[in-house]
Amino acid sequence: QKEVEQDPGPLSVPEGAIVSLNCTYSNSAFQYFMWYRQYSRKGPELLMYTYSSGNKEDGRFTAQVDKSSKYISLFIRDSQPSDSATYLCATSYNNNDMRFGAGTRLTVKP
Amino acid sequence: SQTIHQWPATLVQPVGSPLSLECTVEGTSNPNLYWYRQAAGRGLQLLFYSVGIGQISSEVPQNLSASRPQDRQFILSSKKLLLSDSGFYLCAWSSQDRELFFGSGTQLSVL
Repeated sequence: QKEVEQDPGPLSVPEGAIVSLNCTYSNSAFQYFMWYRQYSRKGPELLMYTYSSGNKEDGRFTAQVDKSSKYISLFIRDSQPSDSATYLCATSYNNNDMRFGAGTRLTVKP
Repeated sequence: SQTIHQWPATLVQPVGSPLSLECTVEGTSNPNLYWYRQAAGRGLQLLFYSVGIGQISSEVPQNLSASRPQDRQFILSSKKLLLSDSGFYLCAWSSQDRELFFGSGTQLSVL
């Protein structure tokens, strides 16, 4: 079993839709949870960073962590074509043990 | 502000040839440095990390090696490339707050 499972998609939505991206993880010791956005042929950029359970909101993006079910989510409201990218979830208990999901490829159609 | 430079962006190499990818970080001191590989449709695989000059930890035994000759310089090398070494290589750095910052990546094709 992979430590972080993420549906690779692809996921295609119309502009303005609410997008839900999800990951599950297996190690209950993970405490840090991140979402990265990666445009084609570019390095990933940090989008959201949360510690332990709960929600964190930043503009149109909301990250949600449920440690009891080992489930992490990213919601994008009012999605835009510029949101089209691959979204990677990641978890860790320290920098050197960061584990990434395979990434979900999202396309937002105008 | 901090920046990370990684080059080249694209590289095509024959099987058996050597490899050297370089990464440098500006605007910070004593960063943790990382090399990741990303295969198509797969997550990021940590290859090496370094917490200081000359200190290299390897996560996956393979045909690659890494070196950190200076505080903000990280080099990924191979003496003889294999077909399986093809992939998208990413350098990254972090400070103590656990956020990883990635370079723009190198697409390596071994033919």
